[in-house]
Amino acid sequence: DAGVIQSPRHEVTEMGQEVTLRCKPISGHDYLFWYRQTMMRGLELLIYFNNNVPIDDSGMPEDRFSAKMPNASFSTLKIQPSEPRDSAVYFCASSLGTKPNSPLHFGNGTRLTVT
Amino acid sequence: DAKTTQPNSMESNEEEPVHLPCNHSTISGTDYIHWYRQLPSQGPEYVIHGLTSNVNNRMASLAIAEDRKSSTLILHRATLRDAAVYYCIRGSGNTGKLIFGQGTTLQVKP
Repeated sequence: DAGVIQSPRHEVTEMGQEVTLRCKPISGHDYLFWYRQTMMRGLELLIYFNNNVPIDDSGMPEDRFSAKMPNASFSTLKIQPSEPRDSAVYFCASSLGTKPNSPLHFGNGTRLTVT
Repeated sequence: DAKTTQPNSMESNEEEPVHLPCNHSTISGTDYIHWYRQLPSQGPEYVIHGLTSNVNNRMASLAIAEDRKSSTLILHRATLRDAAVYYCIRGSGNTGKLIFGQGTTLQVKP
């Protein structure tokens, strides 16, 4: 079990550029979550999917943010255009929802810096 | 709104037990109590969860008050590798959706 895999580990980009973060959940897991972590706001849930369908995107901060899950083994979080305030660590997590209160398994995150 | 209250920080000595408290006075009857921890430069890691009864696993024990308004995570013998931020979270239903608060930063002194 390779765990949740996120790429890239670090991303540095200039304001206005498009940024795409990638996540491969654990095989067989049917829930996928995107979180963002900053010193000021802690860990925030942005959006989550069940069986590749977005269920709750109320945490997505603005229309500049979009997330997709084209299949069970891949998800992307895109920011277009990026702004310095988007600098944060972005975590992806997955879980097996058929088991009540199944633990979330987190990736090691993508550290995004927007200059 | 995380709906749980934890101390900002705690200290412990290595090889001694640690009791990390959490207040969740408005918890509903179906909310589970989850604990995660986050080591430096890593994603959060599941520790334990429970509903009403005390729970034990290889990492820790979870003691839940009889009225379920509070709980305590117990690390039986702290090691330096247990230094982390510990999050107490209320989880509702089967969605797996968890809202993290600020957590407790645990320092372990040798």
